[in-house]
This record gives sequence, C-alpha cells and structure tokens, in this order.
Amino acid sequence: RKEVEQDPGPFNVPEGATVAFNCTYSNSASQSFFWYRQDCRKEPKLLMSVYSSGNEDGRFTAQLNRASQYISLLIRDSKLSDSATYLCVVTRYSSASKIIFGSGTRLSIRP
Amino acid sequence: DADVTQTPRNRITKTGKRIMLECSQTKGHDRMYWYRQDPGLGLRLIYYSFDVKDINKGEISDGYSVSRQAQAKFSLSLESAIPNQTALYFCATSDRTVNQPQHFGDGTRLSIL
Repeated sequence: RKEVEQDPGPFNVPEGATVAFNCTYSNSASQSFFWYRQDCRKEPKLLMSVYSSGNEDGRFTAQLNRASQYISLLIRDSKLSDSATYLCVVTRYSSASKIIFGSGTRLSIRP
Repeated sequence: DADVTQTPRNRITKTGKRIMLECSQTKGHDRMYWYRQDPGLGLRLIYYSFDVKDINKGEISDGYSVSRQAQAKFSLSLESAIPNQTALYFCATSDRTVNQPQHFGDGTRLSIL
C-alpha cells in the first residue's frame, strides 16, 4: 500500500460545477500537507498549504482530517483553466525529512 | 527570471554516456532536491541536500550521483545512462523552516536511446 494515495481520475466535469477529491495518508506522524497543481509536461506549482483549521483561497478550499488521515480539495465554480493534475504532498520531519507525493488526480473541465 | 533554473531543458543521449543536469536557484533556500517523474508513478525523490556538501539518498538513488558545492547549485549526474532512466527530471528547493513547501524548476526532459 502506498503511503499517500489519490484517486487517479480522470474527473470530467462541466464548467461551473463543484468538484472535490481526497488524498489519504497512512503515517499518523505526518506533519504538513500541501496541494500542488501540475499542467501537462510542466513543473508542479504550489496551489495551497493545508491547515488543521481548513483554509480557503478564492474558489479553492482545502481541509485536513487528522482522525481519518486524509486531506481534501474542493473547487467551486470550476473553470476550463482548472484542468490539470492535482498532487497532494505529505511531509514529516524526524531524523530524516520525508516528503511524499501522491500520484495525482487528473481533472478535466469541459465547456 | 525563474527562481529555480534547470539546464538543459531537453536532452537526448545514448546508453552508456555520462550526463549532468544542473540546477541553480536564486531563492536563497538551503534545501534542494532532485526528483524524477514517470507516467503513472508520480514524483520520486532521487537525492536531497539540506546544506552545502550535505548529501542524502532518496527513494531511487541507484545509478545517480549529486554534488552540492554551493548553496545555489545542485547538480545531478548519471554516470552511465541507461534507457530506463528516460524520464522528466525536476529540481526543487525549500526553505529550512519546518513546514515550508517546495518550489520546482521547469524540468529536464531526458531521453536515453
């Protein structure tokens, strides 16, 4: 079992729809969490950090559920430009820093 | 100008050749990383460095070596390239402060024939 798992998708939704996807992690010692966006053949770009209290940035909302060990990303009023792969990242810091990327969830927004 | 710059952007070479990928950054970050990305496998960590001359193996270090002679530069070498090292390679940096995200370069597309 992978330490960080994401539904690979693809999620294919109409423009204007709300879409949400989760990322589960297996190590309860994980400390910080991020969502990245990656366009085809481009570098991953930080979308948002994920905080225990949940956080929102415009149409994007991220939440962390430590009890169930998952993070979520909600996109409201989706735009064509939201089409991309979304990567979750889980990190923990001990004697050796550990940064684990999920394999990504592909999202396609149709007109 | 990009904060994290990778060179070359694309490279095609033959099996057995030695290849070096360069990464430089202007962000002033202490931590630097090399990843490779293959379709369906996501990003996998090759090596990382927390400071000048600090080198740590990642998940898939076999067949690779790195050098960190200056804070701003982190180079990745393939001593004798083989076809299954064909992939998209990314360099990333992060601040030493705990819980900081990584910032990626544009990537190097490497093909080994």
